Amino acid sequence: NAGVTQTPKFRILKIGQSMTLQCTQDMNHNYMYWYRQDPGMGLKLIYYSVGAGITDKGEVPNGYNVSRSTTEDFPLRLELAAPSQTSVYFCASSREGNTIYFGEGSWLTVV
Amino acid sequence: QKEVEQDPGPLSVPEGAIVSLNCTYSNSAFQYFMWYRQYSRKGPELLMYTYSSGNKEDGRFTAQVDKSSKYISLFIRDSQPSDSATYLCAMNGGSNYKLTFGKGTLLTVNP
Repeated sequence: NAGVTQTPKFRILKIGQSMTLQCTQDMNHNYMYWYRQDPGMGLKLIYYSVGAGITDKGEVPNGYNVSRSTTEDFPLRLELAAPSQTSVYFCASSREGNTIYFGEGSWLTVV
Repeated sequence: QKEVEQDPGPLSVPEGAIVSLNCTYSNSAFQYFMWYRQYSRKGPELLMYTYSSGNKEDGRFTAQVDKSSKYISLFIRDSQPSDSATYLCAMNGGSNYKLTFGKGTLLTVNP
């Protein structure tokens, strides 16, 4: 009963480094999302995908990239990490786009 | 005016109390309304899902939607310490598969 799985759970990056947050879902959902959550700021949509091969920007896409080569996987790439990218990142998926299911989160610190 | 407004709290109640959590919104196109519960250092989990106006009950939880007032509520009866979490409202317009979230209300239920 895996649902949405994210890795890594915790990561410390140095300024300027790059990394990929992995996300996979086993529910055969078409829609997948990446959010970031900062204290007092709620959930902000970074990127989303409505199916394999299709991605689009959300509210806060700068500094990030995504790809969706399969239905199951939706990795988030951080290029040239900056302290402003210190946050908690949640991957999510949805069958129909209304009810979405979240992963457990990835805590990222950029120092 | 923000699309979704939610009082961040914090809200502290004694065990057994009835809790009322609320959100207001400005977009009249919203038709689908959700409540998520988020425990500390965990991902949000879907708690309640309603379509259009009306009430929906699930155990100790009742979700209400008043589209005429653009106001949604979540009631928790006989609150328990295990209900201590952040509660986020979310909504969308049906044809848009991106949810708009409130910033969350932090609830603490004291034994």
